[in-house]
Amino acid sequence: NAGVMQNPRHLVRRRGQEARLRCSPMKGHSHVYWYRQLPEEGLKFMVYLQKENIIDESGMPKERFSAEFPKEGPSILRIQQVVRGDSAAYFCASSPVPGGNTGELFFGEGSRLTVL
Amino acid sequence: AQRVTQPEKLLSVFKGAPVELKCNYSYSGSPELFWYVQYSRQRLQLLLRHISRESIKGFTADLNKGETSFHLKKPFAQEEDSAMYYCASRGSNYKLTFGKGTLLTVNP
Repeated sequence: NAGVMQNPRHLVRRRGQEARLRCSPMKGHSHVYWYRQLPEEGLKFMVYLQKENIIDESGMPKERFSAEFPKEGPSILRIQQVVRGDSAAYFCASSPVPGGNTGELFFGEGSRLTVL
Repeated sequence: AQRVTQPEKLLSVFKGAPVELKCNYSYSGSPELFWYVQYSRQRLQLLLRHISRESIKGFTADLNKGETSFHLKKPFAQEEDSAMYYCASRGSNYKLTFGKGTLLTVNP
């Protein structure tokens, strides 16, 4: 099992461009979580998805950010019209059951977004 | 709202010395507490959870509800323990709330 796969690992965008971050959960996991880590900060919850459903997006900024987890393919976190404040590390995690049952989430290596 | 506080951004000890990474939480109910660890060039992974009352790699953590703390301890630190440690809590839902992390350096 390759673990949670995120790509790209590093992404550079200019202000106003779009950023797409992908996450393939571990095999057998149907629950995906996205976290954002700003410099000098802890990981902040953004969104929780199951296949084809957004369960909780309470941590997502109201504008420009969206997430999906289609029936086929990876989960995608999309940021439109990026601004410098979006520069951060974005982590994806997966679990086989909601919340990991035991609380264990399996994390990817993260995607580091830099907005110039 | 849940909040997890790790007061030390950096902690440096010598090999063989005891180590304690502090974590305090705020939650009105009965949270579940966890410690996650990220070794250099590796992904974040679960170290231990308070429910299990287990010792992993010599580390233990006791939930103190009176002090709302969940400090991580090891009596004799090893160089391979050098890593970033995150305390996390989970309330009645599935969300994990993380602290800002403590970078532990164990010097030879």
